[in-house]
Amino acid sequence: DGGITQSPKYLFRKEGQNVTLSCEQNLNHDAMYWYRQDPGQGLRLIYYSQIVNDFQKGDIAEGYSVSREKKESFPLTVTSAQKNPTAFYLCASSTNGLAGGPNILDIQYFGAGTRLSVL
Amino acid sequence: GNSVTQMEGPVTLSEEAFLTINCTYTATGYPSLFWYVQYPGEGLQLLLKATKADDKGSNKGFEATYRKETTSFHLEKGSVQVSDSAVYFCALFRGYQKVTFGIGTKLQVIP
Repeated sequence: DGGITQSPKYLFRKEGQNVTLSCEQNLNHDAMYWYRQDPGQGLRLIYYSQIVNDFQKGDIAEGYSVSREKKESFPLTVTSAQKNPTAFYLCASSTNGLAGGPNILDIQYFGAGTRLSVL
Repeated sequence: GNSVTQMEGPVTLSEEAFLTINCTYTATGYPSLFWYVQYPGEGLQLLLKATKADDKGSNKGFEATYRKETTSFHLEKGSVQVSDSAVYFCALFRGYQKVTFGIGTKLQVIP
């Protein structure tokens, strides 16, 4: 079955530690995204990547880093610079619509999420 | 800038009741509009969508109509079930793969 796999489901971070959240997709999608979900705030975009070896900052990129070395994988590192990392993190992917232009609707498919807490 | 407004809830209904979750938006141009659903402990799933004014999206008994004159995309269902209990997100697609989400409305359906 095609889909998006996020791991681990739960993650705990110690003070000053960097942690990496995994996101893998087998949908053959070019574009991938990371969102942060907090109560009362909906989803906020952290980083996105439209193609391998390229990524862009979203609305709340500070304290996070990403890489996109393979089409299938888009790991997110929560660095020690992120002072309030406790949240539910969601990864998504979509086609990138570049061939059809910006009016193409590229539905985003989501993983099951990783819940990050601070010890 | 672009924004989506919806009530946080929770909305509590009895089984078989009629559901309306309001969603209004602010956007430049002509965005596409979505409703996503998130069941407990899971990611988001696309529930329905509409790409232009007066379009009606529908799925699993849920419906929403894209109203440009009132900038709204309210979600409705005629008879809710306990299994519909979830968080519902209204969202708009603002081009170049960027989606703006509302804060999510929690729905609780009691038997």
